Amino acid sequence: DTGVSQDPRHKITKRGQNVTFRCDPISEHNRLYWYRQTLGQGPEFLTYFQNEAQLEKSRLLSDRFSAERPKGSFSTLEIQRTEQGDSAMYLCASSSGGGREYGYTFGSGTRLTVV
Amino acid sequence: KQEVTQIPAALSVPEGENLVLNCSFTDSAIYNLQWFRQDPGKGLTSLLLIQSSQREQTSGRLNASLDKSSGRSTLYIAASQPGDSATYLCAVREFAGNQFYFGTGTSLTVIP
Repeated sequence: DTGVSQDPRHKITKRGQNVTFRCDPISEHNRLYWYRQTLGQGPEFLTYFQNEAQLEKSRLLSDRFSAERPKGSFSTLEIQRTEQGDSAMYLCASSSGGGREYGYTFGSGTRLTVV
Repeated sequence: KQEVTQIPAALSVPEGENLVLNCSFTDSAIYNLQWFRQDPGKGLTSLLLIQSSQREQTSGRLNASLDKSSGRSTLYIAASQPGDSATYLCAVREFAGNQFYFGTGTSLTVIP
């Protein structure tokens, strides 16, 4: 197991297009998180899955954003009708149990640029 | 809402120096605190995780301390090396909820 994988690493899209990112967590981790990080800021929480159930969503996750985790394995984050303000690094993390003992393991992120 | 602050925002030191990075948080009812390293354009690498019941954790040249009552944590880096140059982020996890709250990071440059 090589850790948390995210695909693609970089995505450039035109404003108004839809984009989808994929995250493959560490195989034995049942918890998966999406964060967004803009330049010079710390990551901000977007959403959390326990197995296939989406248990928590941030107010940052507008109705243009949707995340899924079918079968409790990989997850996808889709952004519809992208806006320039969506340009950011999208980070995925996973943890086992409640994450309280072991903390998070992050992927390398997907950098989105909306032009 | 939990707010996490990191001071200084940027730090430049000559190679070999010992240094301390600071992290403060507003709500002391935290479950744990994690320090991360982030290289430019990359994801986050976990450095140290401190549970709320612990006072410090050590890994190699790194030592992190936690003082919940004062809402502070420090990351001590001994004998700094140019390869330590990166942004260091601290994040706290509360008892309630499932997210980490991150600071904005300290950008460290170690000059050879």
